[in-house]
Amino acid sequence: AQSVTQLDSQVPVFEEAPVELRCNYSSSVSVYLFWYVQYPNQGLQLLLKYLSGSTLVESINGFEAEFNKSQTSFHLRKPSVHISDTAEYFCAVRFNAGNNRKLIWGLGTSLAVNP
Amino acid sequence: NAGVTQTPKFRILKIGQSMTLQCTQDMNHNYMYWYRQDPGMGLKLIYYSVGAGITDKGEVPNGYNVSRSTTEDFPLRLELAAPSQTSVYFCASTPRDRSSYEQYFGPGTRLTVT
Repeated sequence: AQSVTQLDSQVPVFEEAPVELRCNYSSSVSVYLFWYVQYPNQGLQLLLKYLSGSTLVESINGFEAEFNKSQTSFHLRKPSVHISDTAEYFCAVRFNAGNNRKLIWGLGTSLAVNP
Repeated sequence: NAGVTQTPKFRILKIGQSMTLQCTQDMNHNYMYWYRQDPGMGLKLIYYSVGAGITDKGEVPNGYNVSRSTTEDFPLRLELAAPSQTSVYFCASTPRDRSSYEQYFGPGTRLTVT
C-alpha cells in the first residue's frame, strides 16, 4: 500500500539552529511531493512542492526540500529557524498511478522553536 | 477571492444530534475534499468529489454523508453524532488543471460531541 512516513512526531530546536524534518514515501512510482504547514488553530497552507525539474525546491520563508528518488525521500530543511516557525508540518504525496487527485498524508511533525 | 470558506468555526453537539458543515470555494475548482484531523493522527479523508454530482468515499466515511449539487459547495452531513466524531474538520479543493495537485484548505470547523 502507498504510504507516507514522517519519521519524527516532534522536533524541539532552539532559535537560529538548523532543522531537518524527514519524510519518506513507500513507492518508486512517479510522484508529486508537497510540504504543508499548519500554524496553531489554523488550516493548512502549502509551503513548497515538487512536481518536476530541479530536485531542490525552496519556499519564500527560507525552507527548502530535496527530492531524492533513490531514497524515496523529501526532507524539509531550514538553516536557521525562528520562533515564528513553530507549527505542525505535513508531508503529502500524490502517487502518479491512476487518475485521481488524492494526496497521501504523513502524520505530521510538530516543530517547537524555543528561545 | 475568498478561497475556501467553512462554517461554523466551532460547534458543540449532543450525542444523537445532526448537523451540516458547510464548505464553499470561489475558485471554480473541480475537486473538493473533506478531512478530519485528530491529534497525532494526521488527516483522514472522509469524502471527496471530482465535480458537481459526483462524490466518493474516502478512508473514514462511516457516519457522514455529502452532496455536491454545485461546483462551489460541498456540505458534509453528520447524522446521529457520536463522541468519536469529535474532531477538527477541514474542507479542501484542487483546480481542474491537470498539472495541479495542490490542495487549498479552509480554516476548519472544530466539532465537539458530548
